[in-house]
Amino acid sequence: SQKIEQNSEALNIQEGKTATLTCNYTNYSPAYLQWYRQDPGRGPVFLLLIRENEKEKRKERLKVTFDTTLKQSLFHITASQPADSATYLCALAYFGNEKLTFGTGTRLTIIP
Amino acid sequence: GAVVSQHPSWVICKSGTSVKIECRSLDFQATTMFWYRQFPKQSLMLMATSNEGSKATYEQGVEKDKFLINHASLTLSTLTVTSAHPEDSSFYICSASPGTSLSYEQYFGPGTRLTVT
Repeated sequence: SQKIEQNSEALNIQEGKTATLTCNYTNYSPAYLQWYRQDPGRGPVFLLLIRENEKEKRKERLKVTFDTTLKQSLFHITASQPADSATYLCALAYFGNEKLTFGTGTRLTIIP
Repeated sequence: GAVVSQHPSWVICKSGTSVKIECRSLDFQATTMFWYRQFPKQSLMLMATSNEGSKATYEQGVEKDKFLINHASLTLSTLTVTSAHPEDSSFYICSASPGTSLSYEQYFGPGTRLTVT
C-alpha cells in the first residue's frame, strides 16, 4: 500500500529563513499532490495543489515542487514568520479515486 | 469563499448514547463530502466518502452501522456516532468538494472534538 512520509515530525527555523518541508511517497505517482496547513484543534486549510505533469507551483511566499522520479515533493516557505508556525500536511490523490491520503505532518516552528 | 462549517465544535457524551455532527458548505454546493477522524499527533484518516443522494462509501475497518452518514442535500452531510464508547473519542473533521473530479481541492471544516465518558 502507498506510504507517505514527511521528513521530520518537527522542524525549527529562524525567522526570515526559508523553511523546506519534504513529502516522500512509495509506489506509483499520484495525479495530484496537495499541501495543507493545520493549526492545533482546527481543520486543515488548503494551500497549494500540484499536478503530476507540473514541476513547480508558487503562491506568494509558498513554493511547491513535484519530482516524480524521486517520488518527492518539497514545500518551501520563504521569508518565514512566526505566524507560519503550524503543522503542514501533504496529501496525495490518484486518478479514478477521489480519496486523499494524508502524510503524518511536520510541525513547523518559526523562532523569532 | 469555500467555507465549511461543523456543528458542534465540541461535544461530551456518555457511553452508549448517540451523537450527531453536522457539516455544511456555506457558499458552494458540495457534490462530495468526506469524513475524517484524527487522533492526537496522528494524521487524518478517511472514514467515508458521501455523494449527495446516495449511500456513503466506507473505508475498510470503519463500521457503517456505527458511523451513520447522511448526505441529504448539496450543502449538508451528517455523521452520527451510534452507541458511542470511550475509544470513539477523537477529532472528527469533514471536508467538502465542489466536484467529483480531483481537479477540485477539498475544503475542510473546523472539526468536532468528541469526548465519550
